[in-house]
Amino acid sequence: DAKTTQPPSMDCAEGRAANLPCNHSTISGNEYVYWYRQIHSQGPQYIIHGLKNNETNEMASLIITEDRKSSTLILPHATLRDTAVYYCIVRGFYNQGGKLIFGQGTELSVKP
Amino acid sequence: GAVVSQHPSRVICKSGTSVKIECRSLDFQATTMFWYRQFPKQSLMLMATSNEGSKATYEQGVEKDKFLINHASLTLSTLTVTSAHPEDSSFYICSARSGGNTGELFFGEGSRLTVL
Repeated sequence: DAKTTQPPSMDCAEGRAANLPCNHSTISGNEYVYWYRQIHSQGPQYIIHGLKNNETNEMASLIITEDRKSSTLILPHATLRDTAVYYCIVRGFYNQGGKLIFGQGTELSVKP
Repeated sequence: GAVVSQHPSRVICKSGTSVKIECRSLDFQATTMFWYRQFPKQSLMLMATSNEGSKATYEQGVEKDKFLINHASLTLSTLTVTSAHPEDSSFYICSARSGGNTGELFFGEGSRLTVL
């Protein structure tokens, strides 16, 4: 699976949009971009995933560049409860049994 | 959404004893489950892939005789840390996949093991 690169930490003001970038320049055509987050001392929580089109759900939006080499997760109105480590993972469904390999992620701190 | 439950959430044991952690998929059948370990301020590290009815597949560097995995049913996988030592103290997290290779992965709440 392709490797991802994320900034180690970011701050965001409460109520503002949080934009978390991810680089995956070696992504291949059949690999999806997944985002998970982990709140302290809990298991990871699925947020969103996409292949090449932008995606939106009740939690977030995912913007994938046309060349698919990078993406941005957008939390439109960040709250204090969004403080967590956010992981961008590239996963090929048919590679290695579909397992998820976590990188270091971005530690997002939402401040009042 | 699908629910994956782990038990116990916290366990403290003496060095040399064995500890079993259970991972259950509550509302779906999971032919494949994954076990992760996470040390403080580090990311999740995949330990092994647990397949129902067959032997688990361990990641490089993970001792299969130390970390015994049993996936005897479509809703239950267990991880047994044998002869635990203080360096085995960690946060253990399981993940279960609904459906086949394209099914989504859902994570348990994690189990914190402390070995004294």
